[in-house]
Amino acid sequence: GAVVSQHPSRVICKSGTSVKIECRSLDFQATTMFWYRQFPKQSLMLMATSNEGSKATYEQGVEKDKFLINHASLTLSTLTVTSAHPEDSSFYICSARRLGQGSPLAQDTQYFGPGTRLTVL
Amino acid sequence: SQELEQSPQSLIVQEGKNLTINCTSSKTLYGLYWYKQKYGEGLIFLMMLQKGGEEKSHEKITAKLDEKKQQSSLHITASQPSHAGIYLCGAGDAGNMLTFGGGTRLMVKP
Repeated sequence: GAVVSQHPSRVICKSGTSVKIECRSLDFQATTMFWYRQFPKQSLMLMATSNEGSKATYEQGVEKDKFLINHASLTLSTLTVTSAHPEDSSFYICSARRLGQGSPLAQDTQYFGPGTRLTVL
Repeated sequence: SQELEQSPQSLIVQEGKNLTINCTSSKTLYGLYWYKQKYGEGLIFLMMLQKGGEEKSHEKITAKLDEKKQQSSLHITASQPSHAGIYLCGAGDAGNMLTFGGGTRLMVKP
């Protein structure tokens, strides 16, 4: 099946620094990728939709200047947490949308990465 | 690893009809989440259930958790075309790793 990777899987940084998280679709091209955030014991929350070659679409309440998204190629989207603070500590998960193949009626599928656990000290 | 099975896989209902989607886990549930996805869009969180017997509602959507049966059901009352989409259940294990069910594709005919 399709694989989506994330790097790093775990990162610890000091307050005030920036952290970049990569999301790669390994065996398919993804024009659309999604970034989610999950707090402990809570649900996955959609942060933004990353579109290849254009600006990301952010969900309400998500600061676009703090969470920079770059979808530079059909297989890579990056999320940069700028000037990270302890409240940004969370589990960040990306997913990549794979378009349906073959039949025009084939449905697309979303594949999730393994997640990146960010801890800001 | 935990597995979630959803049924049915797809569903077509007439507008105004009620419907139920089920999600069954292979292991103990530590939290069960329901999401909705419209075509080409990200997952939208609907609700989370944590305790056995817990029931929550969001507009015309109600979800229940049967901890003993390791199962949750999502019920939509008086369905509307706006309810159409893919409904996914997700569960976290003790380590908070998320697993998703295969999804239920709902179509509502006007």
